[in-house]
This record gives sequence, structure tokens and C-alpha cells, in this order.
Amino acid sequence: GEDVEQSLFLSVREGDSSVINCTYTDSSSTYLYWYKQEPGAGLQLLTYIFSNMDMKQDQRLTVLLNKKDKHLSLRIADTQTGDSAIYFCAEPFSGGYNKLIFGAGTRLAVHP
Amino acid sequence: KAGVTQTPRYLIKTRGQQVTLSCSPISGHRSVSWYQQTPGQGLQFLFEYFSETQRNKGNFPGRFSGRQFSNSRSEMNVSTLELGDSALYLCASSSWGGNGDTQYFGPGTRLTVL
Repeated sequence: GEDVEQSLFLSVREGDSSVINCTYTDSSSTYLYWYKQEPGAGLQLLTYIFSNMDMKQDQRLTVLLNKKDKHLSLRIADTQTGDSAIYFCAEPFSGGYNKLIFGAGTRLAVHP
Repeated sequence: KAGVTQTPRYLIKTRGQQVTLSCSPISGHRSVSWYQQTPGQGLQFLFEYFSETQRNKGNFPGRFSGRQFSNSRSEMNVSTLELGDSALYLCASSSWGGNGDTQYFGPGTRLTVL
């Protein structure tokens, strides 16, 4: 079955770039997603990438997709303290409607 | 456009009780999915509804059930609560629920079972 893996923690200095990595298993995924969760809140859709793209840029966010290695990354440029949150990578479950398979989430800590 | 709303935001129940959680999707969205989030298991899919029909179900016991109304609002019910049911329950809505349709999440309902 599908599985999504992420590293659990990342600590960066304010102003630096953050790179959060994710590996997935289902090569037929049409879209791959990044969600952000702040403390006590739900999931906020950050960005997504279509599987026929290698890269997508959206303001400070850059998503890179390597389909051969089934590797997805999220780069946050000029990381701010407000970016401190848990970031989830997700892929659609191939066998059913509207079921996302999530990674365990990467906790990003931004320090001055 | 208003986002996904969930009520109540917080609930405290005791073991053996039952609970009903409500989700109102984004206007025009017809698919509603439910997820359970716990520190140990992460985010796990519960079920998905489209046009009042359950199309997909996760690996949860029968104590977890749901339904969807004609206006696309959805409820989920947990009967005979157990301590392990303590979690953040998240609802997500999307337009038609097919592969590639983006899901938008609500703020969640935090359920504590004592």
C-alpha cells in the first residue's frame, strides 16, 4: 500500500532557507500536496504539484518533484518565525475517492 | 467564500458515551472526508461521503459512523467511547472528490475522552 515518509524535525535560523523532504510510494499519483498545521489548528493547504511537473514556485515556496526517485521537497525561502509549524506531505490513495495518505509530518522550528 | 467549519471545536466526554461531530463544507463542495489525528498514529482516514453516499471507508471499528445530508453537511458519530478515541477529528471538503481534487480542511474538533 501507499506510504509517505518524512523526517520528523528541522531547525533553521530565521532568514535561512528550509528544505523539507518527503518520499512516497505510489507512482500513479496525479497530484502531491503540502499542508501546514500550526498549533491547535487544522491543516492549511500550502501548495501542490501535478505529477507531470518537476518544479513549482509560489512566492517563497518552491516544490521539487523527482518522479524517478519518488521524492518530493518543499523549500521555504527566507524562513520566518511565523513559518514554525508542522508540515505534512500527502499523496492520494490510488484505490479510493478523496483519501489522502499523509506522512508523519516535519516539525519546523525557526530560531532567531 | 467561507471555509470548512466544524462544530463543536472542543468536546470532553467520558468512556462509554457517544458523540456527534458536525462539518459544513465549502459552499458548492459535495465531497466530505473525515480524518482522525493522534500523536501516535498521525493522520488516518475515516471515511468519505459524496451526494449522501459513503464511497470510501478507512480501517476503523463500526463504532465510527457518519452520514451526509442533502446540503452536503456531514456528521460523524462515535459510540461507546474509549480512551483511545481522544484525538483531533478533521473534516475536509472538495468539489467532486476524484483523484486530483484538492481537499480543504476545517479547524478540527478536539475530543477528549476521560
